[in-house]
Amino acid sequence: DAGVTQSPTHLIKTRGQQVTLRCSPKSGHDTVSWYQQALGQGPQFIFQYYEEEERQRGNFPDRFSGHQFPNYSSELNVNALLLGDSALYLCASSAGTSSREKLFFGSGTQLSVL
Amino acid sequence: TQLLEQSPQFLSIQEGENLTVYCNSSSVFSSLQWYRQEPGEGPVLLVTVVTGGEVKKLKRLTFQFGDARKDSSLHITAAQPGDTGLYLCAGVYNFNKFYFGSGTKLNVKP
Repeated sequence: DAGVTQSPTHLIKTRGQQVTLRCSPKSGHDTVSWYQQALGQGPQFIFQYYEEEERQRGNFPDRFSGHQFPNYSSELNVNALLLGDSALYLCASSAGTSSREKLFFGSGTQLSVL
Repeated sequence: TQLLEQSPQFLSIQEGENLTVYCNSSSVFSSLQWYRQEPGEGPVLLVTVVTGGEVKKLKRLTFQFGDARKDSSLHITAAQPGDTGLYLCAGVYNFNKFYFGSGTKLNVKP
């Protein structure tokens, strides 16, 4: 049973570029959340997708957008990259939107913006 | 801005010692979770506490949720090198929005 898979594992971009990160949730999970983890910090909630719609959003600008596909996989898009966008981007999946659901995290995509 | 403050930020101890990590907030959470994260990996859930005053034990780890559901602690007895990692608390707020603390980086030396 595959867990949460993310691709790519590492990515290097330059300022102003756009990037797309991908996530496949754990089998049986229908909810995908994205987090940004800067070096030495805890994960910061970006947004959550359920039934192909954005259900919750954290305090991130519109440059951060996402999508969920019918097979529950998800993409995170970041436009007009800034140096401060360099971070580990984590995807977490869960079954349903109950606050008691367990989050399963992928290993993340390490994004470096030069 | 972190809703949850964790202390200490760093902890380096010898194998066999005990330690306590704290997670504090001015907000009330519907539940609180503790995760451990190792380098190059995503966080892994250790426990969820829901009721104020609740205490849960996971082998040598003891988790407590404050009576007012604003704070929590994690106590590790007789720490081992395998306990090394980043410990994160996460408060669940406003229905399924998880706010993470900045973490406590624990290093247990053999």
